[in-house]
Amino acid sequence: EDKVVQSPLSLVVHEGDTVTLNCSYEVTNFRSLLWYKQEKKAPTFLFMLTSSGIEKKSGRLSSILDKKELSSILNITATQTGDSAIYLCAVGPRTGGGADGLTFGKGTHLIIQP
Amino acid sequence: GAVVSQHPSRVICKSGTSVKIECRSLDFQATTMFWYRQFPKQSLMLMATSNEGSKATYEQGVEKDKFLINHASLTLSTLTVTSAHPEDSSFYICSATSRLQAGYGYTFGSGTRLTVV
Repeated sequence: EDKVVQSPLSLVVHEGDTVTLNCSYEVTNFRSLLWYKQEKKAPTFLFMLTSSGIEKKSGRLSSILDKKELSSILNITATQTGDSAIYLCAVGPRTGGGADGLTFGKGTHLIIQP
Repeated sequence: GAVVSQHPSRVICKSGTSVKIECRSLDFQATTMFWYRQFPKQSLMLMATSNEGSKATYEQGVEKDKFLINHASLTLSTLTVTSAHPEDSSFYICSATSRLQAGYGYTFGSGTRLTVV
């Protein structure tokens, strides 16, 4: 059974701090790893990672995959209160057009205090 | 970008009744729809996968007679919770993807909060 483990489960920091969220996985057939941000409702897509060692960036967010360690990190620099959310890590098909669903971790509940 | 509309966003129903949740892809053809359930402080758990025109594939432990899924067209999938009980109260989210249109990845609906009283 595919397994995705995230840590920490919750994190409280002050505005302006940098945070690193972790995700590790155990899957029989790895295809890709995805990060989502979930506020009150549906998850919104952040990154899809398929290749090891290549950092993906979007503004203050960045993420990298380590296939040797079966893990990924999500970094957020200069955090803002609007970054408060649950960050979900998931493992799924590479192209995004496959027939298989995603396996999600439990998420990291991030709270940014002003 | 790709948009998936899910309705209703919130529903309260009496125990023993059935509830239908709709998920529509607005600007792309969703060849595959996924239905997830999320309990408080838990992750999203995949319930079933449905391909347009085919019967849904259910994950282990999910009762197919209780959670009826229909995916009759490329833009609409429905999840019907039959004879709902309080333990079915949860947050249900659909997700759509397309083998016909590359690059769409997974797009999530906004979710439905079901409360069974």
